[in-house]
Amino acid sequence: DAMVIQNPRYQVTQFGKPVTLSCSQTLNHNVMYWYQQKSSQAPKLLFHYYDKDFNNEADTPDNFQSRRPNTSFCFLDIRSPGLGDAAMYLCATSRAGGSGYTFGSGTRLTVV
Amino acid sequence: AQSVTQPDIHITVSEGASLELRCNYSYGATPYLFWYVQSPGQGLQLLLKYFSGDTLVQGIKGFEAEFKRSQSSFNLRKPSVHWSDAAEYFCAVGPNSGGSNYKLTFGKGTLLTVNP
Repeated sequence: DAMVIQNPRYQVTQFGKPVTLSCSQTLNHNVMYWYQQKSSQAPKLLFHYYDKDFNNEADTPDNFQSRRPNTSFCFLDIRSPGLGDAAMYLCATSRAGGSGYTFGSGTRLTVV
Repeated sequence: AQSVTQPDIHITVSEGASLELRCNYSYGATPYLFWYVQSPGQGLQLLLKYFSGDTLVQGIKGFEAEFKRSQSSFNLRKPSVHWSDAAEYFCAVGPNSGGSNYKLTFGKGTLLTVNP
């Protein structure tokens, strides 16, 4: 089945130690998104790629970066995780034609 | 700017009872509307979507939603709730065209608890 896969499902990292979260898709969607979701809150968009074009949200901290080496993969890099970055990180894809999103299962990040 | 309001933070219903989750949106044109469900520790799953045409849309798991343009609402309904429906529900709005800045805006969610 075509899907969006996030790895790992759970990630524990040390305060200040760089961490990378991975997302892959078999849907061939041209748009990929990264959302941060804290407990009992709505998902908050960090940035998205439209093909190779990177679109950063104005309030996304510089600590968060992203890479999209090809259509299928997208990575979220947190350069120096703080305790406040502990959250669920959701990857989503879209065909950018108004069709809505397909989400992955998320990566739960814990910072110790 | 587009926005979504889900007035109910938490709703509790008994199994077998009917359910209605409210969603109001603010958008300059006719939007695309979505309902997603999120079980604990999981990603979001699409329940249903409205693009155009019939204002009553059917989704998965027995859910339906009605688009009411005059009220800027897109309420989610289910005639008989099952214990497995306990989850968080998010309403979302997006533009009715694509483009490089295509993105959805989510409401804050409604947590549904189902009593046996």
